[in-house]
Amino acid sequence: SQQGEEDPQALSIQEGENATMNCSYKTSINNLQWYRQNSGRGLVHLILIRSNEREKHSGRLRVTLDTSKKSSSLLITASRAADTASYFCATPDSNYQLIWGAGTKLIIKP
Amino acid sequence: DAGVTQSPTHLIKTRGQQVTLRCSPISGHKSVSWYQQVLGQGPQFIFQYYEKEERGRGNFPDRFSARQFPNYSSELNVNALLLGDSALYLCASSYSFVAQPQHFGDGTRLSIL
Repeated sequence: SQQGEEDPQALSIQEGENATMNCSYKTSINNLQWYRQNSGRGLVHLILIRSNEREKHSGRLRVTLDTSKKSSSLLITASRAADTASYFCATPDSNYQLIWGAGTKLIIKP
Repeated sequence: DAGVTQSPTHLIKTRGQQVTLRCSPISGHKSVSWYQQVLGQGPQFIFQYYEKEERGRGNFPDRFSARQFPNYSSELNVNALLLGDSALYLCASSYSFVAQPQHFGDGTRLSIL
């Protein structure tokens, strides 16, 4: 079963614009992780936010976490063509296994 | 340092056959996890091994099995292949088993004819 659900399923924006993706989850979490996957490749870890954190930054990435709404958002600022990929959120269950959403497919148009 | 390596990269099998997929973790990483990813979906957890012991098993049939060797490399075996087993199989490693960021290989693309 999937713990997280990303929204939207697909997003197409112009290069230079900001992209926002959302993730909702169902149960209490210890942390929430965001990953990127380029077509046909493995996933790359982007950022981990702990349950006691509300916001975290890494370069052009900003992640927020609202535990009361069981949701998180990933903002990519000043998007580039290289940001074209699928983005997934994942949360550990009670056995520390990562449970994944279905992902948001992001397309950056030049 | 080398990243997570998986072999083979692509594999074509027929229904009923058996397959073995291999994974070498990042040096120093003691935990290996296996995931199945069907096209258009997120990864589904299959197994996690830590220090050569199974730490977790996802909701997959007994046709799926795995093991971890003393050098922390791992194999995933799937018996009696079904068409529905066609997917990208991903291996990820981390230092421990406690929900740390995972480092993924590029996967093995398994096609069942």
